[in-house]
Amino acid sequence: GEDVEQSLFLSVREGDSSVINCTYTDSSSTYLYWYKQEPGAGLQLLTYIFSNMDMKQDQRLTVLLNKKDKHLSLRIADTQTGDSAIYFCAEDTNAGKSTFGDGTTLTVKP
Amino acid sequence: DAMVIQNPRYQVTQFGKPVTLSCSQTLNHNVMYWYQQKSSQAPKLLFHYYDKDFNNEADTPDNFQSRRPNTSFCFLDIRSPGLGDAAMYLCATSSPPTYEQFFGPGTRLTVL
Repeated sequence: GEDVEQSLFLSVREGDSSVINCTYTDSSSTYLYWYKQEPGAGLQLLTYIFSNMDMKQDQRLTVLLNKKDKHLSLRIADTQTGDSAIYFCAEDTNAGKSTFGDGTTLTVKP
Repeated sequence: DAMVIQNPRYQVTQFGKPVTLSCSQTLNHNVMYWYQQKSSQAPKLLFHYYDKDFNNEADTPDNFQSRRPNTSFCFLDIRSPGLGDAAMYLCATSSPPTYEQFFGPGTRLTVL
């Protein structure tokens, strides 16, 4: 079956890098996504990566994809207190339908 | 700005009293979704429409129904809300080929 797994919590100090990891199971996924959710708000797309790419960089965000191991990571450089949120990994499983992980709560300490 | 709008942001209803949540989009996206989210868990997909094609998840309770009268609007009807239906309801949209989803701010439903 389809399953996306993430560690539930991550705590870092302001200015450090954060790395959030995700594993997925559907090898036919074409796109993989990272979303951010702040308290009481909807999810916000941060970035996505096409499955034939290994890496994608967008300002402070770097996405790494290891398709062989079905492992996806999101690195946030110079993490700020405003980055504190829940981060969801998701995979595109069926033309428009995505499977989401349970989310990683990132806490940034000053 | 192109966006996904949900109304109301907060809805309080009584046990068993029908409620309708609405979603509109200015993105002209083909796909619209309704999710239920509890306690910052993963969003749980209830329904999605690909244009007019309706797709119901197998485990979506019969108590939930949806309508999409046109490209821009989508409604979620909860026929007889129970206490277990209290949650955040999220609407989202997407389009091919990348299907990245754009979410509305959500409607927080309270059932008394």
